Amino acid sequence: DTGVSQDPRHKITKRGQNVTFRCDPISEHNRLYWYRQTLGQGPEFLTYFQNEAQLEKSRLLSDRFSAERPKGSFSTLEIQRTEQGDSAMYLCASSLSAGGSKTQYFGPGTRLLVL
Amino acid sequence: GDSVTQMEGPVTLSEEAFLTINCTYTATGYPSLFWYVQYPGEGLQLLLKATKADDKGSNKGFEATYRKETTSFHLEKGSVQVSDSAVYFCALSQRQEGGSEKLVFGKGTKLTVNP
Repeated sequence: DTGVSQDPRHKITKRGQNVTFRCDPISEHNRLYWYRQTLGQGPEFLTYFQNEAQLEKSRLLSDRFSAERPKGSFSTLEIQRTEQGDSAMYLCASSLSAGGSKTQYFGPGTRLLVL
Repeated sequence: GDSVTQMEGPVTLSEEAFLTINCTYTATGYPSLFWYVQYPGEGLQLLLKATKADDKGSNKGFEATYRKETTSFHLEKGSVQVSDSAVYFCALSQRQEGGSEKLVFGKGTKLTVNP
């Protein structure tokens, strides 16, 4: 069990550019969540996948954001035409749907800075 | 919607002092309750959880009891150590229509323990 990994760990981009982040969940976990955390705040939910199906999206997820989870394994989060307000830590978490625990395990996050 | 309110920080204590971090929640149903911890430079880690009223979660000397009558889940530790310095997040989850059990977090409380 190598835990949840995210890549890159840090990203600096200019306003208007597109960025893509990757999350690799714990291998047997079929549930995957994306959250966003701004400075001094708790994480806020963005979207949820069960296997390859995206089943819930937050209103925080504007049209510039898109997430995918092909084949129910890794997931990508893309932000198009980045804005300074997108600067935040983007967190990925995974969990099992079967069994008692359902605990969400978090990755280290991708810190995005939009200049 | 569901929400979590936790005491404002920062909290500064001396080693071996008693710690309480207050957390209250608002939810329509019967959520599960969590405390997550974020050490400097690291990702979120689950500290403890409770899934029903009167359950007590405990880990590493920390405890919290699910109090339905006061909608609270206060975190306590009898004797803190310098290594407990971190940001602590209270959170809740409830099963959503699409199957998600997204977490709703408080804003976090930064704890600093001095030797």
